[in-house]
Amino acid sequence: GAGVSQSPRYKVAKRGQDVALRCDPISGHVSLFWYQQALGQGPEFLTYFQNEAQLDKSGLPSDRFFAERPEGSVSTLKIQRTQQEDSAVYLCASSKTGGPSYNEQFFGPGTRLTVL
Amino acid sequence: QQQVKQSPQSLIVQKGGIPIINCAYENTAFDYFPWYQQFPGKGPALLIAIRPDVSEKKEGRFTISFNKSAKQFSLHIMDSQPGDSATYFCAASGANAGKSTFGDGTTLTVKP
Repeated sequence: GAGVSQSPRYKVAKRGQDVALRCDPISGHVSLFWYQQALGQGPEFLTYFQNEAQLDKSGLPSDRFFAERPEGSVSTLKIQRTQQEDSAVYLCASSKTGGPSYNEQFFGPGTRLTVL
Repeated sequence: QQQVKQSPQSLIVQKGGIPIINCAYENTAFDYFPWYQQFPGKGPALLIAIRPDVSEKKEGRFTISFNKSAKQFSLHIMDSQPGDSATYFCAASGANAGKSTFGDGTTLTVKP
């Protein structure tokens, strides 16, 4: 099926390493979201793109987190100098249109990041 | 400040029972309230959603009740089945905001 895909599914990093997480949204979806889900918690918003424009990055926890979507399709979330508190599942979601909130967000399976 | 509070944290019912999960929100700018179902190792999947212009919405065995004045909404699962065992999240978002704010989740177990 043509759902949202994320890679890698699992990533183990040593503290201080840089990691890059990839999201392939559903083809043609305008909006793309990144969320962080800690164990036993609900997803927490990180950042939002409409096409290639990053419209909201208010949820990024520090300047070690950086996201891009240069051609308005695939997105990469990069975490520099990883810390143990970065361990979580990183979820990507896409939706058909931008703007109003009535658009269903389709989630990928997530990337589970473990920082040792 | 947690903007969306969800309860209970966990819930166990017998097959055929009607589990009810509740959420309360603070931000009156929220105008879209979805419920998601998440199985282990999977991303959340939209079950049903409601806007504040209606007080109830039903899709199959799932019903959302919405109380705008109390800023509360709830999910009812009719005739629950063991396959409904999962974690359920409520969420809320505002017009043009894009992002969703999630509750902390309810782990539902439906016993055969």
